[in-house]
Amino acid sequence: GNSVTQMEGPVTLSEEAFLTINCTYTATGYPSLFWYVQYPGEGLQLLLKATKADDKGSNKDFEATYRKETTSFHLEKGSVQVSDSAVYFCALSDKAAGNKLTFGGGTRVLVKP
Amino acid sequence: EAGVAQSPRYKIIEKRQSVAFWCNPISGHATLYWYQQILGQGPKLLIQFQNNGVVDDSQLPKDRFSAERLKGVDSTLKIQPAKLEDSAVYLCASSLAGSFNYEQYFGPGTRLTVT
Repeated sequence: GNSVTQMEGPVTLSEEAFLTINCTYTATGYPSLFWYVQYPGEGLQLLLKATKADDKGSNKDFEATYRKETTSFHLEKGSVQVSDSAVYFCALSDKAAGNKLTFGGGTRVLVKP
Repeated sequence: EAGVAQSPRYKIIEKRQSVAFWCNPISGHATLYWYQQILGQGPKLLIQFQNNGVVDDSQLPKDRFSAERLKGVDSTLKIQPAKLEDSAVYLCASSLAGSFNYEQYFGPGTRLTVT
């Protein structure tokens, strides 16, 4: 079946540091890939997505590239802010599995001033 | 535009009791999802509705969980009887349709504690 594995947190960074959160996946078909973010006290929000190999999703200076050869979708941001402190979830949607979302376990990121 | 509404936000019950959660999706969204998020894990889909019909309930523990979406708008998720392992956040999401092309919008969730 489908699965998503992402690095465990918490990840603690200083402001303006570079952020990388690793995500790898297993899927039976050709999935679309997503990053969701959950800020403290709020619901999950879509951060970015990519629907085919070599696509780059980007939003709010975050980006992730769909790498089919390594089955990865790592999230990166060049300079984090305190407001980026949140839990980040990698997810996939596979048409062969009815397009439902399969999530990774989440990575908590804490950015200190 | 109003987001996905859920109530209650928090619920504490004893094992073997019953509980119900309510979700009001974004107006016009045909597809509604219920997810279970156990602490430290990602959300897991329990059930997906398209209008008032069930599309996928393969991971719903049907011996104790039930869900309905009357009139294709609001939805309720019920647990009867609850077990300790049901302690989790229950998330409701909605989308215009069921394809991955349509973003899922999530509500704030209901945190259930079973003691």
